[in-house]
Amino acid sequence: KQEVTQIPAALSVPEGENLVLNCSFTDSAIYNLQWFRQDPGKGLTSLLLIQSSQREQTSGRLNASLDKSSGRSTLYIAASQPGDSATYLCAEPDNDMRFGAGTRLTVKP
Amino acid sequence: DTAVSQTPKYLVTQMGNDKSIKCEQNLGHDTMYWYKQDSKKFLKIMFSYNNKELIINETVPNRFSPKSPDKAHLNLHINSLELGDSAVYFCASSQGASNQPQHFGDGTRLSIL
Repeated sequence: KQEVTQIPAALSVPEGENLVLNCSFTDSAIYNLQWFRQDPGKGLTSLLLIQSSQREQTSGRLNASLDKSSGRSTLYIAASQPGDSATYLCAEPDNDMRFGAGTRLTVKP
Repeated sequence: DTAVSQTPKYLVTQMGNDKSIKCEQNLGHDTMYWYKQDSKKFLKIMFSYNNKELIINETVPNRFSPKSPDKAHLNLHINSLELGDSAVYFCASSQGASNQPQHFGDGTRLSIL
């Protein structure tokens, strides 16, 4: 059974800090990995989708990387803001869209 | 304009009833999905539907059935509701294969009394 794990489960940082969220997967044949944010009472917003050939994707203050050899993806958030507070999820679109349990991020003003 | 919309947002009903949740997407996508998010916030895919091909997660009870009247809609019908069906159900859509991002609706919170 292929698993997706996210560590830490929760993270609290002061505004302005750079931070990294981690996603680990056991599927060595992973092809794509997608990062989402979920706000309370809302659906998921797609942030970045990385194809294995790309290894990295950037959107504004967000940068996501994918390392198949180590089974890891990281989401880097630069200069965090209170509006970044949400739960961040990673998922494997090719593995029945298997999700990690998420990291709940709180950015304090 | 809401890209993926679900109705109702909240659904409270008694055990044993039959209910439906509607989903519509105006993105022109050809693939739609249903997910269940349980009390621990863990998301699991239930169905994906593309060009009349339905892919079912084997763990989904056959009391759950998706119905697609057209390409823009994928409704979820649930028969004989059980307490364990209480969860938030999300609809999503994407264009084509898994290398395209999925867009999610805001979810329907189903509570079984």
